Amino acid sequence: QKEVEQNSGPLSVPEGAIASLNCTYSDRGSQSFFWYRQYSGKSPELIMSIYSNGDKEDGRFTAQLNKASQYVSLLIRDSQPSDSATYLCAVRGSGGYQKVTFGTGTKLQVIP
Amino acid sequence: SAVISQKPSRDICQRGTSLTIQCQVDSQVTMMFWYRQQPGQSLTLIATANQGSEATYESGFVIDKFPISRPNLTFSTLTVSNMSPEDSSIYLCSVAGTAINGYTFGSGTRLTVV
Repeated sequence: QKEVEQNSGPLSVPEGAIASLNCTYSDRGSQSFFWYRQYSGKSPELIMSIYSNGDKEDGRFTAQLNKASQYVSLLIRDSQPSDSATYLCAVRGSGGYQKVTFGTGTKLQVIP
Repeated sequence: SAVISQKPSRDICQRGTSLTIQCQVDSQVTMMFWYRQQPGQSLTLIATANQGSEATYESGFVIDKFPISRPNLTFSTLTVSNMSPEDSSIYLCSVAGTAINGYTFGSGTRLTVV
């Protein structure tokens, strides 16, 4: 079982719609959860972090965490073509030295 | 968050040679992390570099192939040794923010081995 799992996509949504990206993780003791956006040929950019169960909103982005289900999601409202990228879910585990494990990423395509 | 300068940004190397990648951070950090991202894949942690001690390597990565230096709290290098085409990848250094802030990445080094 992979430590962090994501659907590779591509996920296609029309402009203005809500994009929903999902991620599951295996380490039940994981403490922190992150969403990164990676444009082709660029390095990952942190867009959201979440620490506690529930929702966290930042502009058009909402991260949702359910530790009981070991599930974290990212919603992007009013999707724009500039949101087209690969979104990486990352989890900081319960081990000693802040190791962060990345999922394989979901490619999002926003269709104008 | 920290700003990381990574170089070179890209290189094309002959098999059997070595390449050293440098990362400079604009603030002192305890740990630096080196990742590899193969084409179409996610990020795989190579090793964690603490200043003043040996790097800690992940399963599948060895010091002879990927020696790391960490001479001070703002700088680290990763060497890819005796390269083969399978080493063609993007190599990224990163530093950890606070628990809630995640990692910040350098701009990456795109390595092609021919």
